[in-house]
Amino acid sequence: DGGITQSPKYLFRKEGQNVTLSCEQNLNHDAMYWYRQDPGQGLRLIYYSQIVNDFQKGDIAEGYSVSREKKESFPLTVTSAQKNPTAFYLCATGGRDRGAEKLFFGSGTQLSVL
Amino acid sequence: QQQVKQSPQSLIVQKGGISIINCAYENTAFDYFPWYQQFPGKGPALLIAIRPDVSEKKEGRFTISFNKSAKQFSLHIMDSQPGDSATYFCAARSLNDYKLSFGAGTTVTVRA
Repeated sequence: DGGITQSPKYLFRKEGQNVTLSCEQNLNHDAMYWYRQDPGQGLRLIYYSQIVNDFQKGDIAEGYSVSREKKESFPLTVTSAQKNPTAFYLCATGGRDRGAEKLFFGSGTQLSVL
Repeated sequence: QQQVKQSPQSLIVQKGGISIINCAYENTAFDYFPWYQQFPGKGPALLIAIRPDVSEKKEGRFTISFNKSAKQFSLHIMDSQPGDSATYFCAARSLNDYKLSFGAGTTVTVRA
């Protein structure tokens, strides 16, 4: 919340379709993260980026792609290769390396399959 | 495979009671242990955090107890209020890559 804007709040995906979730921040944080939240499974890291034009895979990157062309933006694309995309997606920001002790989260995007 | 195991999955407590949530880990590279609070439809927010060189940290009605030898830590919510009804996640940060691993979450319901 606060300086992190995720859109849309709700998104529906058709079979075989790629969809993109937006995450914009005005906190001037270097690091940005995408987490997936499923009931009873906590938050699982999809991708993260500590600097512009660089990003790393998290624990469940398969079927997802990201880009980091600007410090303020870190969009997540859920591709048709992700067979179980229904989940609550959270974007977060923080400092780099040891500075990433406090993560700030957006309000999330609920993705559902039609 | 979850690196941080959290229990219980849910709990119900009366107003004024104590809520206790437990977490356990195996990775000795973890060096920072935060708790996040999440209300429905919102993103989590940092509630309180502890480092392994301290056995207890208190902020208002929220206390973290940390047992380094047992690799366990817990959150105590004293004098629980209906406004505390939320999902709580424990987490641990690795010294190797600074990534956070989250527990599965505990949904706390405080009955008035």
